[in-house]
Amino acid sequence: AQSVAQPEDQVNVAEGNPLTVKCTYSVSGNPYLFWYVQYPNRGLQFLLKYITGDNLVKGSYGFEAEFNKSQTSFHLKKPSALVSDSALYFCAVRDGGNFNKFYFGSGTKLNVKP
Amino acid sequence: DAGVIQSPRHEVTEMGQEVTLRCKPISGHNSLFWYRQTMMRGLELLIYFNNNVPIDDSGMPEDRFSAKMPNASFSTLKIQPSEPRDSAVYFCASSFRGLAFFGQGTRLTVV
Repeated sequence: AQSVAQPEDQVNVAEGNPLTVKCTYSVSGNPYLFWYVQYPNRGLQFLLKYITGDNLVKGSYGFEAEFNKSQTSFHLKKPSALVSDSALYFCAVRDGGNFNKFYFGSGTKLNVKP
Repeated sequence: DAGVIQSPRHEVTEMGQEVTLRCKPISGHNSLFWYRQTMMRGLELLIYFNNNVPIDDSGMPEDRFSAKMPNASFSTLKIQPSEPRDSAVYFCASSFRGLAFFGQGTRLTVV
């Protein structure tokens, strides 16, 4: 079965500091991994994805994520956080067999303080 | 393209009433998903369609919930009768080549 886990309900970071939002996954085949962001009263927006290739994936708004197969992790990172990055972040895995079914983590609330 | 369009954005209804949520997916997308988001349970997949055919409805909580996709450009999620515990934000998403795009959601309040 496919699943993702986001161990932190909330991450607090000061503006200008690096941020990391953690995600681990469990898949039966090749992982197709995604990060989405949700701003208040909005739908989820795609940030980045890993399908194959380089382990470091770059996405929107300066975010990047590192795929680590041995640790089954796909942590979201940004070198310098902005207050405007404050939002709810979801990690997701797509079922490789059932091509279009997505499994989302529980979400991590990122708070960036000035 | 305007993206995935959901209506209404907000719905307040009385317990026992029928509620219909609507979704217009992005043109050309062949998969459509309905999700429910609550504080307690997070983001739950209710049902998804591929080429207008329901593929997996195992997430539909009860028989009170039903979803249809009569054509490639329209889907509905119906709750009949509605209950206060159905209060949540309902998202529709469509996907093409494995990337999902979400609508802005319908906030449903059942009083």
